[in-house]
Amino acid sequence: GNSVTQMEGPVTLSEEAFLTINCTYTATGYPSLFWYVQYPGEGLQLLLKATKADDKGSNKGFEATYRKETTSFHLEKGSVQVSDSAVYFCALSDLIKAAGNKLTFGGGTRVLVKP
Amino acid sequence: NAGVTQTPKFQVLKTGQSMTLQCAQDMNHEYMSWYRQDPGMGLRLIHYSVGAGITDQGEVPNGYNVSRSTTEDFPLRLLSAAPSQTSVYFCASSSGTGRGYTFGSGTRLTVV
Repeated sequence: GNSVTQMEGPVTLSEEAFLTINCTYTATGYPSLFWYVQYPGEGLQLLLKATKADDKGSNKGFEATYRKETTSFHLEKGSVQVSDSAVYFCALSDLIKAAGNKLTFGGGTRVLVKP
Repeated sequence: NAGVTQTPKFQVLKTGQSMTLQCAQDMNHEYMSWYRQDPGMGLRLIHYSVGAGITDQGEVPNGYNVSRSTTEDFPLRLLSAAPSQTSVYFCASSSGTGRGYTFGSGTRLTVV
């Protein structure tokens, strides 16, 4: 079956520091990969995605590259702000329609950015 | 605003009571899902639907029923609430494989 493993938090950073959150996956098919962000008290928002090997997803200064050879999709941001404090989830779904487009999530990584 | 609407936002139930969590989307999305989020356990799939009239079980379906009579609505029914069902429930919809999901703002359920 499919699974996603991401680094446990919390990750505490100072403003303007570099952020990286590791994510690796196991999939039986050829998945699409996603990063979602959850701000306190809110639902999940799609942050970025990639659908094939070597694709780079990017949004709001965040980037992640689909690495098939290492089955990884690490999230990075060069200079974090206090407003980036949130929980980040890595997820995957099979591209095969018969798989039902189900999302499999990692456990989430809480990020706290201090001024 | 277009999106996924969940009601209610908060609910307290007594053990053994039943209730329905409502979910509606206005984006004509084909796929819809229900997840529960528990502390330290991430999100787990309860039930999902690949179109009107078609539903299937996810990872943790016991104690829950769903139906999808229209494209827009995907209600989640708790048959006989148990304290183990205390959680935050999220509904989500997607237009297709590889496109990601749009999530609702969640229902926080407490069973006492």
